Amino acid sequence: AQSVSQHNHHVILSEAASLELGCNYSYGGTVNLFWYVQYPGQHLQLLLKYFSGDPLVKGIKGFEAEFIKSKFSFNLRKPSVQWSDTAEYFCAVINWGKLQFGAGTQVVVTP
Amino acid sequence: KAGVTQTPRYLIKTRGQQVTLSCSPISGHRSVSWYQQTPGQGLQFLFEYFSETQRNKGNFPGRFSGRQFSNSRSEMNVSTLELGDSALYLCASSTSGYEQYFGPGTRLTVT
Repeated sequence: AQSVSQHNHHVILSEAASLELGCNYSYGGTVNLFWYVQYPGQHLQLLLKYFSGDPLVKGIKGFEAEFIKSKFSFNLRKPSVQWSDTAEYFCAVINWGKLQFGAGTQVVVTP
Repeated sequence: KAGVTQTPRYLIKTRGQQVTLSCSPISGHRSVSWYQQTPGQGLQFLFEYFSETQRNKGNFPGRFSGRQFSNSRSEMNVSTLELGDSALYLCASSTSGYEQYFGPGTRLTVT
């Protein structure tokens, strides 16, 4: 069965710091990968997606993620975070309409 | 385009009762997926409907059921509610089941 694991459950960092959130998946076939974000009091929003092609994908709000097939990883990055990036971030893999989510990483950005 | 809408937004029910939640997808989207979000279990897939047919189902008991109408609107029903059913129920829509867009959710509290 496929699964998704996120390395950190809680990350605290200061504004302007760089962010990298780890995500590993276990799935033998072709993978379609996503990062979603849930800001406080808001619904889940799609940050970025990887279906095929360039393994470095860019999303909204300055986020990017790199798909490394040999490492079964899809890590999320942002060079310089802002206070407004405080949110919970979820990595997910999809199979036939079913999104399998990781446990999520709570990111707190301090001013 | 209007986003995914879910009604009601909040619901309080008593153990043993049943509940029906509604989801209206983004116009043109034929796939609707349902998820349960709890602090302990995270985001878990319930089922996915595409053109009125259930295509995929998660590992939930038969008390959880759903359906989709010809206009792609979907309903989810939970019978014989248990305290553990208290959760945020999320609906997501997509054109084909891959790139899913989420609604705000229905917060169900079972007392």
